[in-house]
Amino acid sequence: EAQVTQNPRYLITVTGKKLTVTCSQNMNHEYMSWYRQDPGLGLRQIYYSMNVEVTDKGDVPEGYKVSRKEKRNFPLILESPSPNQTSLYFCASSPSPGTGRSEQYFGPGTRLTVT
Amino acid sequence: DQQVKQNSPSLSVQEGRISILNCDYTNSMFDYFLWYKKYPAEGPTFLISISSIKDKNEDGRFTVFLNKSAKHLSLHIVPSQPGDSAVYFCAARSFSSNTGKLIFGQGTTLQVKP
Repeated sequence: EAQVTQNPRYLITVTGKKLTVTCSQNMNHEYMSWYRQDPGLGLRQIYYSMNVEVTDKGDVPEGYKVSRKEKRNFPLILESPSPNQTSLYFCASSPSPGTGRSEQYFGPGTRLTVT
Repeated sequence: DQQVKQNSPSLSVQEGRISILNCDYTNSMFDYFLWYKKYPAEGPTFLISISSIKDKNEDGRFTVFLNKSAKHLSLHIVPSQPGDSAVYFCAARSFSSNTGKLIFGQGTTLQVKP
């Protein structure tokens, strides 16, 4: 089954404790992205990756890091989480934007709470 | 600066009637628009899209209309079913960007009453 998976689905942590949210896709997509969803703000892009070893900032990158060592994986790293990073996070993937296709396929989401 | 806006946070309709969800945008460089549906505890799923060279696209019960002069698009669901109850996001892409970036609206929660 074609899918995007994220782990963990739920996480409660404390300020300053480093964490990683994993994302994996099995569709051989070149493009991957991380979003956060907050009430009244919709989905905002954190980071994206056009291909392996190619990453760039989205609209709200502060406090986050990413890496793309393999095509299928795109982990999101919070080196020192703060309460304002409490949010619902989604990973997404799509074929290369150069193909003209813009539909992105989303993972199930990770609910993060930072206390 | 909210480039894509969904001004109605919620909408309630009766089963069998039409649901109309609206979306406004400000960036005239947007050339491709999408609608996503999201159920609780799930990720958004792609529903329907439209290119800026068209003014209508239809897929079963779902039709998207684009009015470029008004920078407005709408999603029509006919007939509405209880299973359509979800949050709907509109999104847009700029043709000047080769990053694949989508700009999302805030979302509209649709409730279809049996």
